[in-house]
Amino acid sequence: DADVTQTPRNRITKTGKRIMLECSQTKGHDRMYWYRQDPGLGLRLIYYSFDVKDINKGEISDGYSVSRQAQAKFSLSLESAIPNQTALYFCATSDYGWSQDYGYTFGSGTRLTVV
Amino acid sequence: AQSVTQPDIHITVSEGASLELRCNYSYGATPYLFWYVQSPGQGLQLLLKYFSGDTLVQGIKGFEAEFKRSQSSFNLRKPSVHWSDAAEYFCAVGAPAGNKLTFGGGTRVLVKP
Repeated sequence: DADVTQTPRNRITKTGKRIMLECSQTKGHDRMYWYRQDPGLGLRLIYYSFDVKDINKGEISDGYSVSRQAQAKFSLSLESAIPNQTALYFCATSDYGWSQDYGYTFGSGTRLTVV
Repeated sequence: AQSVTQPDIHITVSEGASLELRCNYSYGATPYLFWYVQSPGQGLQLLLKYFSGDTLVQGIKGFEAEFKRSQSSFNLRKPSVHWSDAAEYFCAVGAPAGNKLTFGGGTRVLVKP
């Protein structure tokens, strides 16, 4: 099994619908992140969580919410999806502080299309 | 605030030729620097990182990068490109005091036979 698992892998939804993207990890990391990737813009941080009770907004949090259900689970919700939220979404995890062995561990991504 | 610029959106290189991808960052002190690669349909894989010490960093898949403080750059290089190196490459910067990464816009590399 992958260290960081995102579900679904692909999703098409209609404008105005609520949708949840899920992320679970087996790394045992405290810190989890949601990024979105758009062509030419790289990855931009939506929300991040340093532990179950610590959730923070990133640079583009408007229109999104998150839930940290457990150390291993971090979900991203679009309350009312709009077409410009069409993107590739990545979940990532990291250990406390900067590990000398690796930075982030990424999931394989969720490709979301809002029509 | 920290930022990363990758000036080249696309680069086309012949198989066997050398490759250099540019990355410039903006940060008030010495940052932590990373290069990630994203193959088609895949997540991001860490190629290499710089935290401190030797400014020439070796990574996986034959890649290396050089940190130049005076130029605020962290360019990625590979002496001889293989067809499997066709992918998108992202430079990222992290502040030592926190874990948030800021990514550049990415450079897509195409490899010609």
